[in-house]
Amino acid sequence: EAAVTQSPRNKVAVTGGKVTLSCNQTNNHNNMYWYRQDTGHGLRLIHYSYGAGSTEKGDIPDGYKASRPSQENFSLILELATPSQTSVYFCASGGTGVSAETLYFGSGTRLTVL
Amino acid sequence: GEKVEQHESTLSVREGDSAVINCTYTDTASSYFPWYKQEAGKSLHFVIDIRSNVDRKQSQRLTVLLDKKAKRFSLHITATQPEDSAIYFCAASYSGTYQRFGTGTKLQVVP
Repeated sequence: EAAVTQSPRNKVAVTGGKVTLSCNQTNNHNNMYWYRQDTGHGLRLIHYSYGAGSTEKGDIPDGYKASRPSQENFSLILELATPSQTSVYFCASGGTGVSAETLYFGSGTRLTVL
Repeated sequence: GEKVEQHESTLSVREGDSAVINCTYTDTASSYFPWYKQEAGKSLHFVIDIRSNVDRKQSQRLTVLLDKKAKRFSLHITATQPEDSAIYFCAASYSGTYQRFGTGTKLQVVP
């Protein structure tokens, strides 16, 4: 069973502050993803990565940066957090093929920006 | 880019009855269609998928149907049980792109 671990589980941040969400996977998957979940929008992709050192923009990258320093770790960075970034964030990992692969999700991080 | 629409936001069925959740997609190039389940307060996990080279796939009580002409796919759950209550997400992707998700259908199985 694929294992994807996110930290923290919950985070409260202030407007304008910097927030870093972390994700670790132990399955040697090449591809990792950051989604956010909002009622009425489902899951929307923010950034993804094909492997260490690579980051790509998803559908809603504005206001977010990503970092993939190793195969196992993928971080999402909010340099200047805003209340509109209050959401639940999910990290996921997949295999080698970008499109036709099962995604394994972490437990999620609930971020509140005040 | 691809857009996936999930038509039922909520669905309530009696225990033992069947449930059907429908999704449509826009890009004819889409070739992979997975479904994920999210139980209350938990993360998503994969339940079943279908690829464009077939039009039906079954796994125990779950069946996925794919109609490429109509750009529509559906999840059928037979003999529903209380543990089937969850939010179900459909997704679609094509070669070289990432999965895009529908907005989710909350399925409630009532006794």
